[in-house]
Amino acid sequence: DAKTTQPPSMDCAEGRAANLPCNHSTISGNEYVYWYRQIHSQGPQYIIHGLKNNETNEMASLIITEDRKSSTLILPHATLRDTAVYYCIVGYSTLTFGKGTMLLVSP
Amino acid sequence: GAVVSQHPSWVICKSGTSVKIECRSLDFQATTMFWYRQFPKQSLMLMATSNEGSKATYEQGVEKDKFLINHASLTLSTLTVTSAHPEDSSFYICSAAGTRNSYEQYFGPGTRLTVT
Repeated sequence: DAKTTQPPSMDCAEGRAANLPCNHSTISGNEYVYWYRQIHSQGPQYIIHGLKNNETNEMASLIITEDRKSSTLILPHATLRDTAVYYCIVGYSTLTFGKGTMLLVSP
Repeated sequence: GAVVSQHPSWVICKSGTSVKIECRSLDFQATTMFWYRQFPKQSLMLMATSNEGSKATYEQGVEKDKFLINHASLTLSTLTVTSAHPEDSSFYICSAAGTRNSYEQYFGPGTRLTVT
């Protein structure tokens, strides 16, 4: 599976948009981009995934660059409950978790 | 939808004993289930992948005779830690991929194992 690079931590004010970047320059043609998050001491939660096109669901939006070498997860209106470690993963059917980005949403 | 449960949520056992952890998909059929381990302040590490009715595929470095995985039905997989030792203490998490959309894995809440 391709490797991803994410900033170790980010801060966001409550109510503002949180934009979490991810680099995956070695992604191959059939690999998807997945985003999961893990709140402390809980199992990870699926957020969104995409292949080439931008995607949006009730939780977030995923923007994938045209060359697919990077992507951005957007939480449009961050809340305190969005504080978690966010993992960007590229692959097909198995997930290899990196260190992720610790997002801290503050009042 | 897509709820995965684990039982127990936490367990304390003595060194040398065996512990069984159950993972159930409650509202969908899971053809594939995954078992992960997470040590404190570290990321999840995939231990094995199991398909219903087949033998599990273990990741490199994971002892298959120590971590027994059974996936006997489309809604249940079990992980048995045999002859547990203190170094096996960890957070064990399962996930399940449904038949209709195998790209999404749904995770259980995890099981905290402490071996004394």
